[in-house]
Amino acid sequence: DTGVSQDPRHKITKRGQNVTFRCDPISEHNRLYWYRQTLGQGPEFLTYFQNEAQLEKSRLLSDRFSAERPKGSFSTLEIQRTEQGDSAMYLCASSLTGQGNYEQYFGPGTRLTVT
Amino acid sequence: AQSVAQPEDQVNVAEGNPLTVKCTYSVSGNPYLFWYVQYPNRGLQFLLKYITGDNLVKGSYGFEAEFNKSQTSFHLKKPSALVSDSALYFCAVRDYGGSQGNLIFGKGTKLSVKP
Repeated sequence: DTGVSQDPRHKITKRGQNVTFRCDPISEHNRLYWYRQTLGQGPEFLTYFQNEAQLEKSRLLSDRFSAERPKGSFSTLEIQRTEQGDSAMYLCASSLTGQGNYEQYFGPGTRLTVT
Repeated sequence: AQSVAQPEDQVNVAEGNPLTVKCTYSVSGNPYLFWYVQYPNRGLQFLLKYITGDNLVKGSYGFEAEFNKSQTSFHLKKPSALVSDSALYFCAVRDYGGSQGNLIFGKGTKLSVKP
C-alpha cells in the first residue's frame, strides 16, 4: 500500500491556460474524492466518484472544471481557461466502503498557481 | 446544514504539557466526526474518528478525542505534547446532505509546541 499519490505536486500556469491533475488512489479503494484548499481554510469538497461513476458535484465545481475516473482506478481533474481565483491546493482522497470505513485518506496535493 | 467550528486559530503549548484542540459540530443526524493533521506542504493525515460507541476515542501518535453529545463537541487531546506535534489540525464531519458522505472541514487550528 503506497498511499494516495498526486501528480504534479506543483503547477504554475498563466491565466487562460488549461491544466490537468492526476490522482492515483489506494489500490483497493472504490471511492475517490476531490477537494480544494485555499490558504487559511479547510478543504472544500468538489466532486466524488464511486468506481467510475461520478455521483456528486459541489456547486463550487464550475463548468470549467471536469473530472473523470475512466476505469475506476486513477482520476483526472481538468480546469479549463484558468483564472487567478483557481489558485489553490487540490487534494485527492480515497476510501473503501464497508462497515465503519468512513475515513478518507488524502494524497499530498497539487498546488496550482495561476499568474 | 452540517458544519464544524474550530474556535481557536492557534494553540500554544509547552512541550510535555497536555494539549487540547477544540471542535464543535452541528449536524442533522448522528455525527460521524474525524480529526486530521496537516504538516507543511503535505496532505492531510487521518488521526481518529468517532462513529458510535465509547465517547473517548483513541487514535494515532498518542492523540485521543472526547465526544460530548450534550455540548456538541469533539475536542482533540494529548496528555503530553511533543515539539513534533506542531502542525495544522482539522476537525471534520460527514456531510449528510451529500449522497455519499464527503467531509465538511473546519478552518483548522495551528498547534505550536515550544521546547
